[in-house]
Amino acid sequence: DTEVTQTPKHLVMGMTNKKSLKCEQHMGHRAMYWYKQKAKKPPELMFVYSYEKLSINESVPSRFSPECPNSSLLNLHLHALQPEDSALYLCASSPSRGLIQETQYFGPGTRLLVL
Amino acid sequence: AQSVAQPEDQVNVAEGNPLTVKCTYSVSGNPYLFWYVQYPNRGLQFLLKYITGDNLVKGSYGFEAEFNKSQTSFHLKKPSALVSDSALYFCAVREPLSGNTPLVFGKGTRLSVIA
Repeated sequence: DTEVTQTPKHLVMGMTNKKSLKCEQHMGHRAMYWYKQKAKKPPELMFVYSYEKLSINESVPSRFSPECPNSSLLNLHLHALQPEDSALYLCASSPSRGLIQETQYFGPGTRLLVL
Repeated sequence: AQSVAQPEDQVNVAEGNPLTVKCTYSVSGNPYLFWYVQYPNRGLQFLLKYITGDNLVKGSYGFEAEFNKSQTSFHLKKPSALVSDSALYFCAVREPLSGNTPLVFGKGTRLSVIA
């Protein structure tokens, strides 16, 4: 089973709201990722967790706060977002430490609209 | 830094005809190359990857890709296109450096298969 699940599928929030995106995988993968994808653009890496520790932060604004409570779960906490943060947020996982030859498996994404 | 180029924004092909989606890359050293497909309002699905070995890689749904080191290319091919192959295709590369290098995506090529 190569499934990564994400909730919610859609989210609309105001600029003063606090919300969270959730990602889950039960493949025993130990590396998990958050990507942001704008319309008709490729995904852009935001964060990488390896063995529940943050290993890469691609200079993402602090209004995005990742959390990895356990090896199966990855959250993205959102606070005081801007309209330009509206995008499809994709979660992915890979088997081990995010080794370069590993395949990343993506979830279906959460489509976020910030008003 | 690694990069990948997909020179065509759009590829149109008649159903039953062979299809090719082009990808060229630039890395230091031997690349790790991936193809993903994205259907509307969905996450990315892994198709195939080249790590080492045979230059012809076979993947999901009848797709294959040929690694050509001299031309720094990794074109995606399928002998007979289906209407259901219509989607957005991303080529991606990782550079074999130490540490956790990001997966870098091309801008994507939209494939339309016409019945």
